[in-house]
Amino acid sequence: DQQVKQNSPSLSVQEGRISILNCDYTNSMFDYFLWYKKYPAEGPTFLISISSIKDKNEDGRFTVFLNKSAKHLSLHIVPSQPGDSAVYFCAAVYSGYALNFGKGTSLLVTP
Amino acid sequence: DVKVTQSSRYLVKRTGEKVFLECVQDMDHENMFWYRQDPGLGLRLIYFSYDVKMKEKGDIPEGYSVSREKKERFSLILESASTNQTSMYLCASTFGIEQYFGPGTRLTVT
Repeated sequence: DQQVKQNSPSLSVQEGRISILNCDYTNSMFDYFLWYKKYPAEGPTFLISISSIKDKNEDGRFTVFLNKSAKHLSLHIVPSQPGDSAVYFCAAVYSGYALNFGKGTSLLVTP
Repeated sequence: DVKVTQSSRYLVKRTGEKVFLECVQDMDHENMFWYRQDPGLGLRLIYFSYDVKMKEKGDIPEGYSVSREKKERFSLILESASTNQTSMYLCASTFGIEQYFGPGTRLTVT
């Protein structure tokens, strides 16, 4: 049973606008959440993470918000750039190292 | 910079062949992982290892085995490749929370 869900398989956004990628989870034991970005024919690269004790973490154009009561997190990219076009995976971890991944959301940023 | 390398970027094998996928990391990480990525299914954990000679099954271990004889190297073995094992295989290593991934091996079984 999938514990981390990304319900939008794809998203298209205009360059310069905000991209919002969403993720839901079911296991309240997760203590960290991570976002990875993946280009075709490459391995995923780490983007940003958030501890379960925080509700926001920001790194440049990327901000992750965590709503524990709703078991929901989101990744905001502002402003979106064409180079951000990739598949984004949400992941959650508990017991130290066992990552659970969502199925991914393919983001397309159009000029 | 952490480096995780995988022995092949692309591999074509025949049904029934034994296949070895090698992964090497250079950061002395204790934990190493093998995933496969399929369209619409995301990344699914096959096996992981938290120490030399130790291994744990992930979500989809059937048809696979692993070997970790040295800390830096984690091998995935397909004992008898089948067409449903055609996939992108990704290796990762970690010391803490963040996992570092290799470039992946695109395996096609015909």
